[in-house]
Amino acid sequence: GESVGLHLPTLSVQEGDNSIINCAYSNSASDYFIWYKQESGKGPQFIIDIRSNMDKRQGQRVTVLLNKTVKHLSLQIAATQPGDSAVYFCAEYSKDSSYKLIFGSGTRLLVRP
Amino acid sequence: NAGVTQTPKFQVLKTGQSMTLQCAQDMNHEYMSWYRQDPGMGLRLIHYSVGAGITDQGEVPNGYNVSRSTTEDFPLRLLSAAPSQTSVYFCASSYSEIGRGNTEAFFGQGTRLTVV
Repeated sequence: GESVGLHLPTLSVQEGDNSIINCAYSNSASDYFIWYKQESGKGPQFIIDIRSNMDKRQGQRVTVLLNKTVKHLSLQIAATQPGDSAVYFCAEYSKDSSYKLIFGSGTRLLVRP
Repeated sequence: NAGVTQTPKFQVLKTGQSMTLQCAQDMNHEYMSWYRQDPGMGLRLIHYSVGAGITDQGEVPNGYNVSRSTTEDFPLRLLSAAPSQTSVYFCASSYSEIGRGNTEAFFGQGTRLTVV
């Protein structure tokens, strides 16, 4: 299991710096990946997604990179802002787990002013 | 635009009690699902529905029932609450199957349930 108990991995960055949040996935058959942002007391919010036939996808201030060789996904946030402070989850989906979006355990991002 | 609405936001139950967590969406989404979130475990799928009248089990269905009589509503029932069901519960909906096309899942605000 991926449990780290109550202590989520935490990334602390200075406001204005770039942030990189990493995620390892286990199912080589996964063909769709999503990054979610969850602020305290709120539900997860969609950030960006990527299909397995892509290596990179860019959004507004965010970039997702997919390395299928090592089953690794990363979320890059440019010019990190205080409002980016949250827990970030990657989620994977595969056709052989129909309709089941499998979430990772999350990374907490703290932005220092 | 209300999106996905969950009620209640907080609930305390005694062991053995039953209750229903409500979830409603106003986006005419076919796909709805329930997740529970525990510390360090991410979100785990309890049950899901691909349309009115159709439900199926997720990763952790034991102790929960669902029904989907309308497109809008997807209630989650706890049959006999146990302390192990203490968690935060999230309902989600999407227009179509997650993974098909650019499909975004919208989550409710969550229900924090404590079973004593």
